[in-house]
Amino acid sequence: EDQVTQSPEALRLQEGESSSLNCSYTVSGLRGLFWYRQDPGKGPEFLFTLYSAGEEKEKERLKATLTKKESFLHITAPKPEDSATYLCAVLEYGNKLVFGAGTILRVKS
Amino acid sequence: DAGVTQSPTHLIKTRGQQVTLRCSPKSGHDTVSWYQQALGQGPQFIFQYYEEEERQRGNFPDRFSGHQFPNYSSELNVNALLLGDSALYLCASSLGRSGLNKKAQYFGPGTRLLVL
Repeated sequence: EDQVTQSPEALRLQEGESSSLNCSYTVSGLRGLFWYRQDPGKGPEFLFTLYSAGEEKEKERLKATLTKKESFLHITAPKPEDSATYLCAVLEYGNKLVFGAGTILRVKS
Repeated sequence: DAGVTQSPTHLIKTRGQQVTLRCSPKSGHDTVSWYQQALGQGPQFIFQYYEEEERQRGNFPDRFSGHQFPNYSSELNVNALLLGDSALYLCASSLGRSGLNKKAQYFGPGTRLLVL
């Protein structure tokens, strides 16, 4: 089975302090990599899909990038409302998602 | 456009009981996947239904079973509940047709199950 590892486990930032979250994966052939945001007690909210190395996607203060071995979620000038758990997942054959454990992000004002 | 809906939102059961969780997919979606998320972990794939059949299954025992109806809604059944079944159960909908099945899965709010 594919393996997905996210780091760090938790990250504390000051408002406006940019940083990056990492998602490394081992797959036999990448069919797609997904980023989700999850607030406490709620279901994951879809953010981005990346399909090939070199691809980048942006949404507001978030930018996702993809290489052959890992993906980064860059957060530029974060705000307190960006606080959440960010989940990375790879798509296995047959449309099954394999998730990492997530990175818990806390942004303080 | 209604998103993925799940019911109930919370459920408390005792060991040995049986439970049924329900899911309605996002409008236009024909595939439903179920995931179990323990506290502090990422979601784990249970199974996926497409065209009313189980298309793929994760590493879960036969106590976990499901069904998909002609309107694409789905149920997850868990028999002989164990304490370890306490978790957030998530339903995700997507498109299952070839060429479209790499598109995003959209999740519902989940059902929080507590087994005492």
